[in-house]
Amino acid sequence: EVQLLESGGGLVQPGGSLRLSCAASGFTFSSYAMTWVRQAPGKGLEWVSGISGSGSNRYYVDSVKGRFTISRDNSKNTLYLQTNSLKDEDTALYYCAKGIDNWDYWGQGTLVTVSS
Amino acid sequence: ETVLTQSPATLSLSPGERATLSCRASQSVSNYLAWFQQKPGQAPRLLIYDASNRATGIPARFSGSGSGTDFTLTISSLEPEDFAFYYCQQRSDWPPLTFGGGTKVEIK
Repeated sequence: EVQLLESGGGLVQPGGSLRLSCAASGFTFSSYAMTWVRQAPGKGLEWVSGISGSGSNRYYVDSVKGRFTISRDNSKNTLYLQTNSLKDEDTALYYCAKGIDNWDYWGQGTLVTVSS
Repeated sequence: ETVLTQSPATLSLSPGERATLSCRASQSVSNYLAWFQQKPGQAPRLLIYDASNRATGIPARFSGSGSGTDFTLTISSLEPEDFAFYYCQQRSDWPPLTFGGGTKVEIK
């Protein structure tokens, strides 16, 4: 059974940093691209970043370029999102999802709250 | 960036009725369009991919159609568990991958 479990969210001040993690199981992790999607409270879905199975290709939405870094450790079956220089508008539930698109498996999300 | 516009924002219907949701793209996305369902407190669930293909385990009452810039998600007869938010998403022109703003299907 495919499982994705996010962690690392929390309350952080503007300008702060968090590292989000997504522990994967139930599939050959290194064979699949992975994605982060976020959802601000009461709002719609926003694609944030994606990474190829090898980690060699990384993609970002413009609003997080230069501030967020996606990475993966295939030996640990774990996806990461390093979030730096956080802004109020980054407050959201962050989901990881299996694949580069057509995401058929999602985690339950980890909440990032940026507030002073 | 390809902008997806969903309409209506809210659809008020009764169980058993037919629901028709629209998604319009600002430029052609060919058939590279997916639909997701999301219920409160839950992660999104893939319903339809590549405009008209049902994902694994999705009931036959859900169907997708369209190509180019105009797409439709149809729920042939609403079940109580179908009242939720629905989002379209394109993978033709990326990055970024983009979602529509969503349609809420609520009980009338």
